[in-house]
Amino acid sequence: NAGVTQTPKFRVLKTGQSMTLLCAQDMNHEYMYWYRQDPGMGLRLIHYSVGEGTTAKGEVPDGYNVSRLKKQNFLLGLESAAPSQTSVYFCATSRGGLHTGELFFGEGSRLTVL
Amino acid sequence: AQKITQTQPGMFVQEKEAVTLDCTYDTSDPSYGLFWYKQPSSGEMIFLIYQGSYDQQNATEGRYSLNFQKARKSANLVISASQLGDSAMYFCAMREVRGTSYGKLTFGQGTILTVHP
Repeated sequence: NAGVTQTPKFRVLKTGQSMTLLCAQDMNHEYMYWYRQDPGMGLRLIHYSVGEGTTAKGEVPDGYNVSRLKKQNFLLGLESAAPSQTSVYFCATSRGGLHTGELFFGEGSRLTVL
Repeated sequence: AQKITQTQPGMFVQEKEAVTLDCTYDTSDPSYGLFWYKQPSSGEMIFLIYQGSYDQQNATEGRYSLNFQKARKSANLVISASQLGDSAMYFCAMREVRGTSYGKLTFGQGTILTVHP
């Protein structure tokens, strides 16, 4: 029972390179989220999805794109990485609905942009 | 817009003693939920406890309790009988309970708790 799995766990990029983070869940949850964690700023929402084929912007969406072609997968893309995108990225899921319960998190992906 | 504030960047406690981690929030919605998560040095996010805005009693989960003071808009986490394994970063988070919130959580800045033997 894997829960929420993020790949890769670590990545180093050069400025201007692109990459995709994959989040996969086996809990059949409707909602999925991408957060970034930076020192002193807690976790901030980048994008989220409330179901297959849907995406929406969060608090800090600039420089990122997302897709949810399958219910179990939520992809976060960086088209042209910048040093400001150096961060730890967390994927999370929740059941969905009005009383949707807690978020379940992946283990995080540490991205460094040089 | 909702906002969560954790004013204690770091806290220290002696093993076996109790500690309170502060959290204040701001929202205009009457229906909301408050969460606490623990993040140990290994990095994963562990859900600890939940309090609904209409819950009559303070939430408790084992050694964790949430001191919910609605009028003061505070949701402090109390850890009783601290253990060395409690050393971690702790995040307070809030969700507005309405159809368009889609379960999104807003997080505070976090408090690093260090438990001394």
